[in-house]
Amino acid sequence: EPEVTQTPSHQVTQMGQEVILRCVPISNHLYFYWYRQILGQKVEFLVSFYNNEISEKSEIFDDQFSVERPDGSNFTLKIRSTKLEDSAMYFCASRADRAIGGYTFGSGTRLTVV
Amino acid sequence: KNEVEQSPQNLTAQEGEFITINCSYSVGISALHWLQQHPGGGIVSLFMLSSGKKKHGRLIATINIQEKHSSLHITASHPRDSAVYICAVEVGGSQGNLIFGKGTKLSVKP
Repeated sequence: EPEVTQTPSHQVTQMGQEVILRCVPISNHLYFYWYRQILGQKVEFLVSFYNNEISEKSEIFDDQFSVERPDGSNFTLKIRSTKLEDSAMYFCASRADRAIGGYTFGSGTRLTVV
Repeated sequence: KNEVEQSPQNLTAQEGEFITINCSYSVGISALHWLQQHPGGGIVSLFMLSSGKKKHGRLIATINIQEKHSSLHITASHPRDSAVYICAVEVGGSQGNLIFGKGTKLSVKP
């Protein structure tokens, strides 16, 4: 069964450093998403991406965040200057079609900012 | 304000019991999703519903659009069903992003 692959599975970074979280969505999927889950809290939407551009973003997705799909396969989330409160599990998801398709989630990247 | 409410928050059942998890939402939606999150954190999509009822194995999901309510049922529960079950909605007119409930932690004892 096709999978969404996320790397790394766990990243520890110093506050103020930049991190890039990587995702490889399913190859024929068209819609891509990043979500995050702070420990013990519910999953929150960050950003959606379609047709090589951001289609929607939440209030959380401020100027320190950016997304890219540089080569048609990878989908990356960059956090420019990490803060302690960015520590969370970050999930990438993709779907083929909004009308009929469910989501396929990656296994997540646990980001710890120290 | 929570746009998606789930109940109960925690549920302990004996193996073989019939389980129901409820979800209510307050926004107009285009679809509702039931997801399963395992202790390691991974999320698996179980159902996408816009009306009626769906069944997959021992899992059944129903939705009542007028009442803004959905239920997930597990028949003949098994310890391997132990997980967090999450209700999430796609807001009508959005680009498919999900608003999540807090989840229901299910533990099935042998």
